[in-house]
Amino acid sequence: AQSVSQHNHHVILSEAASLELGCNYSYGGTVNLFWYVQYPGQHLQLLLKYFSGDPLVKGIKGFEAEFIKSKFSFNLRKPSVQWSDTAEYFCAVNAGSGGGADGLTFGKGTHLIIQP
Amino acid sequence: DSGVTQTPKHLITATGQRVTLRCSPRSGDLSVYWYQQSLDQGLQFLIQYYNGEERAKGNILERFSAQQFPDLHSELNLSSLELGDSALYFCASSAWGPITDTQYFGPGTRLTVL
Repeated sequence: AQSVSQHNHHVILSEAASLELGCNYSYGGTVNLFWYVQYPGQHLQLLLKYFSGDPLVKGIKGFEAEFIKSKFSFNLRKPSVQWSDTAEYFCAVNAGSGGGADGLTFGKGTHLIIQP
Repeated sequence: DSGVTQTPKHLITATGQRVTLRCSPRSGDLSVYWYQQSLDQGLQFLIQYYNGEERAKGNILERFSAQQFPDLHSELNLSSLELGDSALYFCASSAWGPITDTQYFGPGTRLTVL
């Protein structure tokens, strides 16, 4: 079974600071990787996803993530954060077996607070 | 707005009771997923339906069951409720079910068991 760990549960940054949120997964096979964001009072929204190909994926709102297979990692980055990035961020994985379907396995989330 | 709707938004009930949560997927989506979000367990996958049939099961308790109807809406039934079932229950939908599909999440139903 897959598992996902997000290293930082709470992160506080000032506006314009650079952001990197860690995500490591444990699964021996091919995986699909996702970052979701949950703004206060809103539903989960997809930021970006990786299935195959270029390990550097770009998502919405200036976010990007890099898949490093050797490190089982999929860290989320943004060069300059804004106050509106305050939210809960979830890393998720499902098995890329290519057949059948499965739900997402989520990390515990990182609560990001951006101070003006 | 993701296009996935869930009702009710909030539900307060007592231990031992049974409740039904409802989810309408995005127009055209065939696959529905249910997740539970609690403080101690985080976000956990419960069950998936695809075009009316159960497709995958996660950490769903035997007291919980779900179904997807011909119009593709889904219901999650929770019975013999315990205090620990208090959580946010999310529904998600995707176009047809392959694991590369993006899942779109609804706003959730907050269940409080007293």
